[in-house]
Amino acid sequence: DQQVKQNSPSLSVQEGRISILNCDYTNSMFDYFLWYKKYPAEGPTFLISISSIKDKNEDGRFTVFLNKSAKHLSLHIVPSQPGDSAVYFCAASGIYSSGSARQLTFGSGTQLTVLP
Amino acid sequence: GAGVSQSPRYKVAKRGQDVALRCDPISGHVSLFWYQQALGQGPEFLTYFQNEAQLDKSGLPSDRFFAERPEGSVSTLKIQRTQQEDSAVYLCASSSRTGGVREQYFGPGTRLTVT
Repeated sequence: DQQVKQNSPSLSVQEGRISILNCDYTNSMFDYFLWYKKYPAEGPTFLISISSIKDKNEDGRFTVFLNKSAKHLSLHIVPSQPGDSAVYFCAASGIYSSGSARQLTFGSGTQLTVLP
Repeated sequence: GAGVSQSPRYKVAKRGQDVALRCDPISGHVSLFWYQQALGQGPEFLTYFQNEAQLDKSGLPSDRFFAERPEGSVSTLKIQRTQQEDSAVYLCASSSRTGGVREQYFGPGTRLTVT
């Protein structure tokens, strides 16, 4: 049972245009959401996050939107650059029944390719 | 260079062998996580340490998997009697927070191939 889903395995966008990556979740206990970027042979790198008390967080070219009623979040990259080409993972965190760990639950990733 | 480091970067093991994977977290980070990433999937949680205490091991797939962090810094993930289904990238992450909500910083991973 996938609690975090990224339904698009890949996305191609022209340089300078907007990239929109989508993520859906099912667990209503999640209260913090993150986007990670991953290049081949490297570990995921933190990109941007959002708390469930907000519906938008912006950092430079990157904006994350959260729609709690739809259990949906999206990452917007404007303008897209060739260096943005990577796999993007959506992740979620929440208070688990143990009350201790804040491990991340990841989606399966979306390969973004920005074409020059 | 204060990032998370992992060694070895690549490990090939014959089925039935034991392996040990090492993680050096960012200095001062009290929280340490291990994840397993299968090909084409996102990382999946294995276990969590707060300093030397293993507070959650609910993600370990079997009793062949064992993790330790005896002095609250370096951690080792050990897999006994490796099986082909153990082939994956093993990622270590650390965080400065103990129970709060903050991002985790990942190492480059160890790619384990069991033949």
